[in-house]
Amino acid sequence: AQSVSQHNHHVILSEAASLELGCNYSYGGTVNLFWYVQYPGQHLQLLLKYFSGDPLVKGIKGFEAEFIKSKFSFNLRKPSVQWSDTAEYFCAPPGGILTGGGNKLTFGTGTQLKVEL
Amino acid sequence: DTAVSQTPKYLVTQMGNDKSIKCEQNLGHDTMYWYKQDSKKFLKIMFSYNNKELIINETVPNRFSPKSPDKAHLNLHINSLELGDSAVYFCASSPPRRGGHSPLHFGNGTRLTVT
Repeated sequence: AQSVSQHNHHVILSEAASLELGCNYSYGGTVNLFWYVQYPGQHLQLLLKYFSGDPLVKGIKGFEAEFIKSKFSFNLRKPSVQWSDTAEYFCAPPGGILTGGGNKLTFGTGTQLKVEL
Repeated sequence: DTAVSQTPKYLVTQMGNDKSIKCEQNLGHDTMYWYKQDSKKFLKIMFSYNNKELIINETVPNRFSPKSPDKAHLNLHINSLELGDSAVYFCASSPPRRGGHSPLHFGNGTRLTVT
C-alpha cells in the first residue's frame, strides 16, 4: 500500500503565522481526499473533505485546502494559526484506504504542528 | 451519546497475555475499522468489516483476530501479546460508500501497554 505523502513531519509556527501543510498522492484513478486533525490525547476528527467540483474546499476553524489534480496535491492552509491549532494533521482517502486497479492508497504519515505563543 | 465508543481506554498487561478491546458505534454505519497508531503517530489500518464481513486485512499477525457479532460492533482480540503491540488502537466507522464520500468517525482510542 502506498500512503499519501506528507513531507512536513514537524512544523513549528508562531501564532498568527500562515500555515501550509503538504499532501501529495500517487494513484492511478479518481481520488477524493480528506484532512483529519488529532488534538493532543484525542481521537481523529474530520477537518475538511474534497469530493468533486470546486477544488478549493473550506473546513472548520478557518482551514481550507486546494485539490490540484495536475500536481497530485491537496495542501492544507490556514492564513493565521492559533495556539489551539497545535495538533497532528493527517491527509487520507475516503475510509482511510482506497483500492482499485492494482493501486492502494492509505493514510498519510501525519504532520505534527506546534504553534508557539 | 458517544458515536463510536471503545473500551477500555487504557490497557496494561504483560507479554504473553490475551486481551480484547471492544468497539461499538451507534451511527448506523455499515463499515467498521481497526487502526493502530504507533509512538510516531503513524496510523495503519489493520482490519475493516462491512456488514459483519471482513473486507480488509492488512498483513496483520494472526495473533490479532477481529470479531463482528453485528454491524454495530467490531471487537479486537489479541493473543500472546508482544512488546511491539504497545500502541494506541482506534476503532472507526464510516457510512456506506456513495461515490467515495465516506469520512471516518473515530473512537477515543485504547492505549495498550505491554510490559
